[in-house]
Amino acid sequence: GENVEQHPSTLSVQEGDSAVIKCTYSDSASNYFPWYKQELGKGPQLIIDIRSNVGEKKDQRIAVTLNKTAKHFSLHITETQPEDSAVYFCAARVSGYALNFGKGTSLLVTP
Amino acid sequence: SAVISQKPSRDICQRGTSLTIQCQVDSQVTMMFWYRQQPGQSLTLIATANQGSEATYESGFVIDKFPISRPNLTFSTLTVSNMSPEDSSIYLCSSPGADQETQYFGPGTRLLVL
Repeated sequence: GENVEQHPSTLSVQEGDSAVIKCTYSDSASNYFPWYKQELGKGPQLIIDIRSNVGEKKDQRIAVTLNKTAKHFSLHITETQPEDSAVYFCAARVSGYALNFGKGTSLLVTP
Repeated sequence: SAVISQKPSRDICQRGTSLTIQCQVDSQVTMMFWYRQQPGQSLTLIATANQGSEATYESGFVIDKFPISRPNLTFSTLTVSNMSPEDSSIYLCSSPGADQETQYFGPGTRLLVL
């Protein structure tokens, strides 16, 4: 089955800096790669996703890149703010199947 | 997007009892998913619930422990049976949105078993 690895497990940045979280996946048939933000006491919130026919996608301060050949994808957050502090999960999915998740990255943005 | 609600939002239960969690989606979807998130951990798939057929369980999860109902295209329930403290987790319902691809999660049910 699909195996998703996520790094780093914890990340601390200063407000205004950029943060990058990286994930790799094992199943070359995976074609959907979402990123979720989970704040304490809440369910995972979809922040951005990318499909396998696209190499990069941006939404304001958030971007995701996908390298299908290398089977890895990354989340980039620019101009970080304290409210970006949360746990971020990457996931990968083959069409018609369930998401497989990475272990999560705890991001702390310090003022 | 999809709006997913879950009930209850949290509960404290005694060991040996059962709890049924409800999940409601604001659009008709073929597949719904149930995940467990143990404290400080990632999400683990329990089962996939398709309307009109038996749920498909992942390795380590069995129907007797986690029976699932899927009576229609917008609703599902997960029961945690004969609970023990090891069942203390967040239980999350998930489904695709109207495009049948983008996947969303409910707010979760926080379960504590004493």
